Amino acid sequence: GQQLNQSPQSMFIQEGEDVSMNCTSSSIFNTWLWYKQDPGEGPVLLIALYKAGELTSNGRLTAQFGITRKDSFLNISASIPSDVGIYFCAGQNNYGQNFVFGPGTRLSVLP
Amino acid sequence: EAEVAQSPRYKITEKSQAVAFWCDPISGHATLYWYRQILGQGPELLVQFQDESVVDDSQLPKDRFSAERLKGVDSTLKIQPAELGDSAMYLCASSRLVHEQFFGPGTRLTVL
Repeated sequence: GQQLNQSPQSMFIQEGEDVSMNCTSSSIFNTWLWYKQDPGEGPVLLIALYKAGELTSNGRLTAQFGITRKDSFLNISASIPSDVGIYFCAGQNNYGQNFVFGPGTRLSVLP
Repeated sequence: EAEVAQSPRYKITEKSQAVAFWCDPISGHATLYWYRQILGQGPELLVQFQDESVVDDSQLPKDRFSAERLKGVDSTLKIQPAELGDSAMYLCASSRLVHEQFFGPGTRLTVL
């Protein structure tokens, strides 16, 4: 079946630093979603992308839909302690079909 | 802000027992999803409903799992009998538009 890869698997950064993570697939997707999950909670939708090349921001978060439609990127600027959590990407290749989730990137922010 | 509700939040059971999870989607959301998330992994779809109809249950272990959404609103996921390997977070999500999903807080199941 379809699989998504996320990189890096985990990262430790200093508070105030910028963060970049990506999600790649061997298949083409038409929609990308980025979620953040805190321990013991459900994922929270951060950003949705619907068009190749699209760049969308949500506060300090910026996500891009890759031109090849096989990847997506999430950037966090000026990280703060509450950014700690696991970030998941999810891709949908056809309208109405299921989303496939990546394995997640675990972010730790050091004070 | 409307949210997806799930209960219970935590469930501990012994193997071979039956368990049930409940989900109430955001009002007006016709599509409802049940996911299973094993620790350290991303969510994996178990079943998708469009109103009261099952759209996709290809990954649902039907010998022990069942799901229903009788009136097209809230939904129940059941496991009978539970096995040790069923320990996981069970997440419900709903969507009005098929290219967005909003998750509930999940039910953490521990099978002893």
